[in-house]
Amino acid sequence: AQSVTQPDIHITVSEGASLELRCNYSYGATPYLFWYVQSPGQGLQLLLKYFSGDTLVQGIKGFEAEFKRSQSSFNLRKPSVHWSDAAEYFCAVGDKGTGGFKTIFGAGTRLFVKA
Amino acid sequence: DGGITQSPKYLFRKEGQNVTLSCEQNLNHDAMYWYRQDPGQGLRLIYYSQIVNDFQKGDIAEGYSVSREKKESFPLTVTSAQKNPTAFYLCASSMRRSGDQPQHFGDGTRLSIL
Repeated sequence: AQSVTQPDIHITVSEGASLELRCNYSYGATPYLFWYVQSPGQGLQLLLKYFSGDTLVQGIKGFEAEFKRSQSSFNLRKPSVHWSDAAEYFCAVGDKGTGGFKTIFGAGTRLFVKA
Repeated sequence: DGGITQSPKYLFRKEGQNVTLSCEQNLNHDAMYWYRQDPGQGLRLIYYSQIVNDFQKGDIAEGYSVSREKKESFPLTVTSAQKNPTAFYLCASSMRRSGDQPQHFGDGTRLSIL
């Protein structure tokens, strides 16, 4: 069965420091992969997505993610974190199949940014 | 601007009461979804609909009901059979029901028990 694991429940980084949020998935083929961000009391917003091709994808707000098939990972990165990046981040995988479509979300990683 | 509107933002339910959460989209999307979000558990799928007059149960449909009479609207009713309804409810839509489609989310409704 497909699964998405975000090993870190929460992470604290200093403003201006680099950030990496981890995501591991379990899926037989190359999956569709997404990262979403959720600010408190709001819905999720798509940051970026990976379907195929270049394994380094760029997203909005200066985020990027790298797909590593050998490690079944799709980690999210940002070179320099801003206080406004404090939020919860969700990794998700989409089923390629047309019959049993499902998007599975990880449990989320809450990012705290300290001044 | 196109988007998804959920209302109300906060809702309180009394014991034995059914309540309905509204979700409207003007993105012309075929597929719509309802998720429940609890702390530390991510998003769990309640119901989804891929076309008008069709909907399917998700992973945690018990105690909930939906309808899809119009493309734009996908209301969720939390019935009295749902014994633990306190949660944050998110409505989402996508162009079609497919694994490659990103989902667009509303800002959620927080439901609490009085």
